[in-house]
Amino acid sequence: AQSVTQLGSHVSVSEGALVLLRCNYSSSVPPYLFWYVQYPNQGLQLLLKYTSAATLVKGINGFEAEFKKSETSFHLTKPSAHMSDAAEYFCAVRPLGNTPLVFGKGTRLSVIA
Amino acid sequence: EAGVTQFPSHSVIEKGQTVTLRCDPISGHDNLYWYRRVMGKEIKFLLHFVKESKQDESGMPNNRFLAERTGGTYSTLKVQPAELEDSGVYFCASSLSDTQYFGPGTRLTVL
Repeated sequence: AQSVTQLGSHVSVSEGALVLLRCNYSSSVPPYLFWYVQYPNQGLQLLLKYTSAATLVKGINGFEAEFKKSETSFHLTKPSAHMSDAAEYFCAVRPLGNTPLVFGKGTRLSVIA
Repeated sequence: EAGVTQFPSHSVIEKGQTVTLRCDPISGHDNLYWYRRVMGKEIKFLLHFVKESKQDESGMPNNRFLAERTGGTYSTLKVQPAELEDSGVYFCASSLSDTQYFGPGTRLTVL
């Protein structure tokens, strides 16, 4: 069965600092990988996705993630944190095709002024 | 283009009562999914419709949960009778191909 591990349930960074949210997955086949973000009192919004094209994926709001097959990782980064980035971030995986997503437990990002 | 909508946004009910949640997917999306997040846990899959047919309902917790998708459009998820452990946020998502678009969720509280 597929699984997703997000290291750190809560991450705090200073405004302007690098954001690094970790995601490792287990999958028997090359998966599709996603990062979603949930801002306070809102639904899940797609940040970016990896679908076996380029390994470095750029998303919205300056975020990007790199697929590393050898490390089974898909870490999310942003060079400079902004206060508006404070939210909960979810990494998700699914095999090819229209199948359900398997989510990690989420990482809550706090940005300190 | 309208996104996925869910109704109600919040519902507070007593144990033993019935609640029905509704999801309207993005127009034209054949795939509709229900997920649930219990407090402190990960978001977990409940079931998947393709048009009006249940493709996969392996995540449904028990027979107190009944999902329907009338005419392949909107979907309802009924919990009857509700138990305390059913509290959580219920998300609906729809997709055309590989990307699932989520609604804002319904926060269900069972007292």
